[in-house]
Amino acid sequence: AQKITQTQPGMFVQEKEAVTLDCTYDTSDQSYGLFWYKQPSSGEMIFLIYQGSYDEQNATEGRYSLNFQKARKSANLVISASQLGDSAMYFCAMRETYGQNFVFGPGTRLSVLP
Amino acid sequence: DSGVTQTPKHLITATGQRVTLRCSPRSGDLSVYWYQQSLDQGLQFLIQYYNGEERAKGNILERFSAQQFPDLHSELNLSSLELGDSALYFCASSEYRDRDEKLFFGSGTQLSVL
Repeated sequence: AQKITQTQPGMFVQEKEAVTLDCTYDTSDQSYGLFWYKQPSSGEMIFLIYQGSYDEQNATEGRYSLNFQKARKSANLVISASQLGDSAMYFCAMRETYGQNFVFGPGTRLSVLP
Repeated sequence: DSGVTQTPKHLITATGQRVTLRCSPRSGDLSVYWYQQSLDQGLQFLIQYYNGEERAKGNILERFSAQQFPDLHSELNLSSLELGDSALYFCASSEYRDRDEKLFFGSGTQLSVL
């Protein structure tokens, strides 16, 4: 069964607008971590943001925020004020405490339009 | 710069050959992960080492093997290469701390099997 689902293979957003990338996950663990990574066309994987399952506040890192809804098992990434340099693949990932492994979703390709 | 070093960046070889990919983790990180990223399968977890010992195994083929040395660098050996092994191979390291563990990726090795 898919542990991480990203239902949007591709998305477009106008420069300076906000965009939400969806991520839902499946786990029976009570303690886990959720992550978002960015992969630009150059290929490197860049860590963006982290949310722990016990964290009560939604994580924020600059223009990135994570909309964490634990009951719905969703961890959507919100990018505010999109920039051309945000065009990339975005991967949602989860680490289950006892699995000690990071599982990645299939990714969403974001294109920012001028 | 994530601090994780992977060499070589590019590798072109023929079917049936054997190659070795090398990874140096961030200073202080004890855990090393290997991932394979191909166009049709996304990021696939191969294997994890922690302080020299194998910690978790994913969908790693029997033709592939890895190890982590006392200085914590890791090598991924791919043998009897097939066309389908062409992919981007990532190494990532993390400091193993429950709930706050983050993966930091190297820039990857692009393997082309001809």
